[in-house]
Amino acid sequence: SQQGEEDPQALSIQEGENATMNCSYKTSINNLQWYRQNSGRGLVHLILIRSNEREKHSGRLRVTLDTSKKSSSLLITASRAADTASYFCATDIPSGGYQKVTFGTGTKLQVIP
Amino acid sequence: EAGVAQSPRYKIIEKRQSVAFWCNPISGHATLYWYQQILGQGPKLLIQFQNNGVVDDSQLPKDRFSAERLKGVDSTLKIQPAKLEDSAVYLCASSKRRGTGEAGELFFGEGSRLTVL
Repeated sequence: SQQGEEDPQALSIQEGENATMNCSYKTSINNLQWYRQNSGRGLVHLILIRSNEREKHSGRLRVTLDTSKKSSSLLITASRAADTASYFCATDIPSGGYQKVTFGTGTKLQVIP
Repeated sequence: EAGVAQSPRYKIIEKRQSVAFWCNPISGHATLYWYQQILGQGPKLLIQFQNNGVVDDSQLPKDRFSAERLKGVDSTLKIQPAKLEDSAVYLCASSKRRGTGEAGELFFGEGSRLTVL
């Protein structure tokens, strides 16, 4: 079953605009991660935010986490055509002596040059 | 540093046939994951190994899927017999994580795309 639901499912913007994707999840987590997947390729890690953090930045990426609402958002500023990809949130759920990493449904981003 | 290697990249089989996928994780990574990604969906965890032991296989269809991790390194995922609904990309990932308290990214291979006719 999918732990995370992403919104919107698809997003189309012009180059230079900002893109915001949201992720909602169901159970308590240790960390939340965001990954990117280009068509036909594997997933690439973008950023990890711990459950005791509220905001994190990495280059043009800004991630927020609200554990009370069980939601996170990924903001990509000044988007480029090369940012066109699918973006997934992944939650680290404690389970016994390990963490289960469960992915959301994804947001497909298209950046138009 | 070499990435996660997977083979084959593509495989086409008839239903009821068998198929095996191979994964070589990044050297020294304790945890290995197999995910199934159906077109247009997010990856679904099939099985998770820590070293050579299984820590989660709750979503693995055990009547037809099996997986092993030899000597805590390479892993194979087998499907026998395949069904039409098994058509998907099978992604292998590895990480340095060893326990509940550790965070860290997953490194993914390029995936093995299976088409069942």
